[in-house]
Amino acid sequence: GENVEQHPSTLSVQEGDSAVIKCTYSDSASNYFPWYKQELGKRPQLIIDIRSNVGEKKDQRIAVTLNKTAKHFSLHITETQPEDSAVYFCAASINTPLVFGKGTRLSVIA
Amino acid sequence: GAGVSQSPSNKVTEKGKDVELRCDPISGHTALYWYRQSLGQGLEFLIYFQGNSAPDKSGLPSDRFSAERTGGSVSTLTIQRTQQEDSAVYLCASRLTGTANQPQHFGDGTRLSIL
Repeated sequence: GENVEQHPSTLSVQEGDSAVIKCTYSDSASNYFPWYKQELGKRPQLIIDIRSNVGEKKDQRIAVTLNKTAKHFSLHITETQPEDSAVYFCAASINTPLVFGKGTRLSVIA
Repeated sequence: GAGVSQSPSNKVTEKGKDVELRCDPISGHTALYWYRQSLGQGLEFLIYFQGNSAPDKSGLPSDRFSAERTGGSVSTLTIQRTQQEDSAVYLCASRLTGTANQPQHFGDGTRLSIL
């Protein structure tokens, strides 16, 4: 079955700097790659997703890139703000259900 | 509109007791998923319902865990003879269709604590 690896497990950045989180997946048939943000004690919230027929997608300060050949995808957050502090999860899916990475705890230091 | 609703939000019970957790998906969503999230960990898939099809139970950790979905809407996850290792947040998610490229929307979860 699908296996998703996520790095780093923790990440600290200064406010205004960029943050990058990387994920790799094992099954080349996976075709859907969402990213979720989970604040402490709250539900995971979808922040961006990408389909396998697209290499890059951007939404304001957030972007995701996908390299199908290498089977990896990345989340990029620019101009980080304290409210970006949370745990971020990547996931991959062939159909359903989603297989999640173990998460990255992002801390944005003011 | 209303999102995914889960109840109770917190449940504390003694080891060996049975518990039932409820999930009310977004109206019209045909796919429903249960995940488990242990403290500081990722999301572990438990079970998946899609319309009237037989559920995918491949993620259930033991036969103490079961789930049903009545009328294609509300789902109940039951854990029998609870153990301390069952302590976790149980998250439910729903999706508009079973197609991969539709986003899953999560509820707030039920925090289960086994004493």
